[in-house]
Amino acid sequence: ELKVEQNPLFLSMQEGKNYTIYCNYSTTSDRLYWYRQDPGKSLESLFVLLSNGAVKQEGRLMASLDTKARLSTLHITAAVHDLSATYFCAVDLNDMRFGAGTRLTVKP
Amino acid sequence: NAGVTQTPKFRILKIGQSMTLQCTQDMNHNYMYWYRQDPGMGLKLIYYSVGAGITDKGEVPNGYNVSRSTTEDFPLRLELAAPSQTSVYFCASGTPEPQPQHFGDGTRLSIL
Repeated sequence: ELKVEQNPLFLSMQEGKNYTIYCNYSTTSDRLYWYRQDPGKSLESLFVLLSNGAVKQEGRLMASLDTKARLSTLHITAAVHDLSATYFCAVDLNDMRFGAGTRLTVKP
Repeated sequence: NAGVTQTPKFRILKIGQSMTLQCTQDMNHNYMYWYRQDPGMGLKLIYYSVGAGITDKGEVPNGYNVSRSTTEDFPLRLELAAPSQTSVYFCASGTPEPQPQHFGDGTRLSIL
């Protein structure tokens, strides 16, 4: 059974700092997605990673995929308050399995 | 563009009542999904459909039923509501291609 594990589950950062969120999954897949969810809101797509070594960047966020290690990372550079949200990774293997989410709080 | 529309947005049910959560999409997507999200948790797949007339169970199907008579609509039915079904329910649509799913705004359901 496909398991998707994220860590950390909670992350409190100072503005301007860097940090990485990790997403490990248990079964081979080359389709991995990152989503953002603001409190009480729906999910917003951030990145789609489709091959080993794929790297995508948007603003202060950069996502990468290592299919051999079954690992994706979401790197945050010079965090700002607006990045405070919950971030989910999801692995597509016929059906979509989501990680538990990383609740990020960026403090001044 | 409306995208994925869910109704109602909020609902309180009594134990044992039944209800249908509505989901409709206007993007002509073949694939549709129902998820539940418990507080502080990720999404768990309840049912999905790859086209009209075709449905399949996801990770947590017990206590729910679905139907897919048209491409646009994918209603989720709770027959005998239980407190464990208190959750936020999200409907999503997508395509067979590796593209992100489009999510509705969710239905917040409380069962008391």
